[in-house]
Amino acid sequence: AQTVTQSQPEMSVQEAETVTLSCTYDTSENNYYLFWYKQPPSRQMILVIRQEAYKQQNATENRFSVNFQKAAKSFSLKISDSQLGDTAMYFCAFMNVSGNTGKLIFGQGTTLQVKP
Amino acid sequence: GAGVSQSPSNKVTEKGKDVELRCDPISGHTALYWYRQSLGQGLEFLIYFQGNSAPDKSGLPSDRFSAERTGGSVSTLTIQRTQQEDSAVYLCASARDRAFLDTQYFGPGTRLTVL
Repeated sequence: AQTVTQSQPEMSVQEAETVTLSCTYDTSENNYYLFWYKQPPSRQMILVIRQEAYKQQNATENRFSVNFQKAAKSFSLKISDSQLGDTAMYFCAFMNVSGNTGKLIFGQGTTLQVKP
Repeated sequence: GAGVSQSPSNKVTEKGKDVELRCDPISGHTALYWYRQSLGQGLEFLIYFQGNSAPDKSGLPSDRFSAERTGGSVSTLTIQRTQQEDSAVYLCASARDRAFLDTQYFGPGTRLTVL
């Protein structure tokens, strides 16, 4: 069974600074995807970034980038130039492609507060 | 276009009552997922629909939970004889196909409180 661990329940960062959220996972699969989702107080989960395990290049979306270390089973999210609107709960998620359903397995989440 | 919608937004019920939660996926999305978000268990998968069939029901916690999808569109999650541990936010997500081929888009959830 796959598991996802986020070891930082809460984090804070000053506006305009950089913050890194940690995620590790455990799997014996070789073909999988990893995701970071953002959940603001409105509860709507929003995809931040996605990484296919077969790609060596780290995914980047504007101010968001990941550090994907496949051998270490680590998938951290870096947020650059933090903005007040980044305040939310962030979930790391794993998807086993071989499972053929696309269901997501989530970590426990990290609450990020961006301070003005 | 419109996103995933869920109703009701909030539901308060008494222990032992049945509840129905509704999900309207994005038009044309064939894959539909239900997840539960609770304080004790975090975010957990419940069931996956492809069209009207449910090839993966492995996350349903007990036989009190059931779900159906009609016309390849709307889905209803039913909880019978609700218990206090069923209190949670129930999230629905849809994707054009199985979600490793496309992004899952989430609805705003239904917050269920069982008194």
